[in-house]
Amino acid sequence: AQTVTQSQPEMSVQEAETVTLSCTYDTSESDYYLFWYKQPPSRQMILVIRQEAYKQQNATENRFSVNFQKAAKSFSLKISDSQLGDAAMYFCAYRSNQGGGADGLTFGKGTHLIIQP
Amino acid sequence: DAGVTQSPTHLIKTRGQQVTLRCSPKSGHDTVSWYQQALGQGPQFIFQYYEEEERQRGNFPDRFSGHQFPNYSSELNVNALLLGDSALYLCASSLETGGFSTEAFFGQGTRLTVV
Repeated sequence: AQTVTQSQPEMSVQEAETVTLSCTYDTSESDYYLFWYKQPPSRQMILVIRQEAYKQQNATENRFSVNFQKAAKSFSLKISDSQLGDAAMYFCAYRSNQGGGADGLTFGKGTHLIIQP
Repeated sequence: DAGVTQSPTHLIKTRGQQVTLRCSPKSGHDTVSWYQQALGQGPQFIFQYYEEEERQRGNFPDRFSGHQFPNYSSELNVNALLLGDSALYLCASSLETGGFSTEAFFGQGTRLTVV
């Protein structure tokens, strides 16, 4: 079974600065997706960024980028120019892509990101 | 596009009772997955429905069951409620295309409290 570990229960960053959230995972599979989801107090999970394991290039979405180290099974999220609206719980998630990607997501326990004005 | 909608938003039930939660997927999506999120934890996968059948199941007892209707909407049923079933229940939808799934879109969840 796959596992996802987020070792930082809480992180704090000053507005406009950069913060990196850590995630490691364990799997014996070679074909999978990794995701970062944001969950604000409204409770709705919002997809921030995704990475396909077979792509070597790190995914980027505006101020959000990842550092994907497949051999080390590490998938960190960097948020640049942090904004007050970035404050939320951030979850790292894994999804197998073997067999058509029909698997459910495996989530980490989350990191609570606080933005200091 | 209304996105994924769940009802009700909040629910209080007594131990031993049964509950039904409902989910309408994002327009154009055909696959629905359910997750349980306990307070302070990440969501845990309960099961997934596709073509009106349960396709995959997480580590949850048979008290948790579901259904998918021809319009792709879905229900999650929990029987014989326990205090430990108190959680946020999230529904996510996706689209199967060419044998692969698009990313999941989530609803705002149903907060279930068992007393």
